[in-house]
Amino acid sequence: DIQMTQSPSSLSAFVGDRVTITCRASQGISDYLAWYQQKPGKVPKLLIYAASTLQSGVPSRFSGSGSGTDFTLTISSLQPEDVATYYCQKYNSAPWTFGQGTKVEIK
Amino acid sequence: EVQLLESGGGLVQPGGSLRLSCTASGFTFSNYVINWVRQAPGKGLEWVSTITEGYTTYYADSVKGRFTISRDNSKNTLYLQMNSLSVEDTAVYYCARKATVTTIPGNWFDPWGQGTLVTVSS
Repeated sequence: DIQMTQSPSSLSAFVGDRVTITCRASQGISDYLAWYQQKPGKVPKLLIYAASTLQSGVPSRFSGSGSGTDFTLTISSLQPEDVATYYCQKYNSAPWTFGQGTKVEIK
Repeated sequence: EVQLLESGGGLVQPGGSLRLSCTASGFTFSNYVINWVRQAPGKGLEWVSTITEGYTTYYADSVKGRFTISRDNSKNTLYLQMNSLSVEDTAVYYCARKATVTTIPGNWFDPWGQGTLVTVSS
């Protein structure tokens, strides 16, 4: 099975900082990669699919890139409401594995 | 509005069984792949099981042989029958719809239900 590895596991940044989260697949998955945001105590929310397509209603400060095995989620200007754990997920075939998550906090 | 509402969680002893339900509204349930995802306390997301619109089923290795996913399109309801439960199955269980109809390849999840908590403890 393909493994999904995110880095870092957690990060702390200032409001307004550019934040980048990396997700690596153990085998190529083309662009079958989604990103989810889970705020504390809340339900996961789809942010990005097809590696770089922003879900409707998601702020434009979020962006995704990558293909094959290496992917990134970028927040161009971190806001207090972005405090959350972010997960990547491969969705080309079963098992539809998630990364272990990256917790984003404000300094 | 597209909605998913889970129910059936609760406290169960190790070795016991539980059946979860997920009732859908706001879309044509029979046309969509539906999934179960769980999250143990303080842990990350773990895909559990999937059923396609054609009733093909998939399971994570951690639940294969113990859990059974099914759907009743006449009731717009998804089920997860969980048997031989262990403490490692303690988690919030979410149902989540494939984001698009099946003709588009891939299975990414949107929306998600609010979750139901399953606690396995003696």
